[in-house]
Amino acid sequence: GESVGLHLPTLSVQEGDNSIINCAYSNSASDYFIWYKQESGKGPQFIIDIRSNMDKRQGQRVTVLLNKTVKHLSLQIAATQPGDSAVYFCAENTNAGGTSYGKLTFGQGTILTVHP
Amino acid sequence: EPEVTQTPSHQVTQMGQEVILRCVPISNHLYFYWYRQILGQKVEFLVSFYNNEISEKSEIFDDQFSVERPDGSNFTLKIRSTKLEDSAMYFCASSDWGKLFFGSGTQLSVL
Repeated sequence: GESVGLHLPTLSVQEGDNSIINCAYSNSASDYFIWYKQESGKGPQFIIDIRSNMDKRQGQRVTVLLNKTVKHLSLQIAATQPGDSAVYFCAENTNAGGTSYGKLTFGQGTILTVHP
Repeated sequence: EPEVTQTPSHQVTQMGQEVILRCVPISNHLYFYWYRQILGQKVEFLVSFYNNEISEKSEIFDDQFSVERPDGSNFTLKIRSTKLEDSAMYFCASSDWGKLFFGSGTQLSVL
């Protein structure tokens, strides 16, 4: 069935380090992937997305890598800052462009803690 | 930056009571959603809404749930007879065609 899971539930890094958060998905039909950041008491905040016809996409200090062969998604955060501390979720969609575009399946989340 | 707003931020209700959770999506968005997150669990899709009708719903979204866009700005989720297991954070989201923007959520506690 459809599922999105995370390898590491917690990640602690020092300020300035690079962070890598991983996600495995099981639905090979997934064609759109998103990373969200959730701070305490707030809703998920969009970070970056990638479609299945790409294997890498870069944003400001963030990079998402997609490996469709092993159904793996990762989020890289460069020069991690204390303000990056949050729960990070991957999410996937299997009908991007159709009526189910907004029906996302979320992973369990990884807690990122950045120490000053 | 435009944002999705939700009210109230917290709602406490007795089991069996009806609750209405309110959302104001981003004004030029056409697609609206409700998700929920039970404490410590994943964010789960409930329902999507487009062109004044439900476009998709999950198994969670049973007959006790309904959604409505009563005017040009609000989007509501009604739970007719709340159960203890309905206690969760409920997130509204909207999109134009691409990424979803989420509100800060309504924490629903059913006693």
